[in-house]
Amino acid sequence: KAGVTQTPRYLIKTRGQQVTLSCSPISGHRSVSWYQQTPGQGLQFLFEYFSETQRNKGNFPGRFSGRQFSNSRSEMNVSTLELGDSALYLCASSLVGTGYDEQFFGPGTRLTVL
Amino acid sequence: GENVEQHPSTLSVQEGDSAVIKCTYSDSASNYFPWYKQELGKGPQLIIDIRSNVGEKKDQRIAVTLNKTAKHFSLHITETQPEDSAVYFCAAVSGSARQLTFGSGTQLTVLP
Repeated sequence: KAGVTQTPRYLIKTRGQQVTLSCSPISGHRSVSWYQQTPGQGLQFLFEYFSETQRNKGNFPGRFSGRQFSNSRSEMNVSTLELGDSALYLCASSLVGTGYDEQFFGPGTRLTVL
Repeated sequence: GENVEQHPSTLSVQEGDSAVIKCTYSDSASNYFPWYKQELGKGPQLIIDIRSNVGEKKDQRIAVTLNKTAKHFSLHITETQPEDSAVYFCAAVSGSARQLTFGSGTQLTVLP
């Protein structure tokens, strides 16, 4: 079974731009969660989607948004990029996203904001 | 919300020795505690988990213990090997939040 895939793997943007990251979950998984990983703040929860609906949201500004498609693939968007948005963005999928079912992580997208 | 503290931030052990990583959590409603291993260039991978109705769980060389009264849980790795070198994260899930709250991570280095 193929794992979680994320594209692109690396991105370089400048302040003020916007960016879209993509995540393809494991086949059959309906829940997709996004996390931001930085050396200073560690792994922080952004949001979770299930059946095309945002079901849970972390403490991030409205510049961070996402969506999920009918095939469970998900995208996240960051608008008006700031230097502090430089991070590894991880996507994780699980069967139903109860919090208790195993989350499978992708390799991440490394975003650098200049 | 939930807050998870993890110690130590770095840990070096000799190959064959044991390693212990400790975490504390704040939300008494948390009832699921997974541990993840993250190797360089990869996403975190679940290695073991424990639910609040269990005090200890073991899987070959790794074990996790949970003390609900003290709100802390620990990861134990015995007979460490160089391939155990990675960053380890503890996490907690509370029924209401239904999301993972991670500890800050421990960089484990196993010296040959």
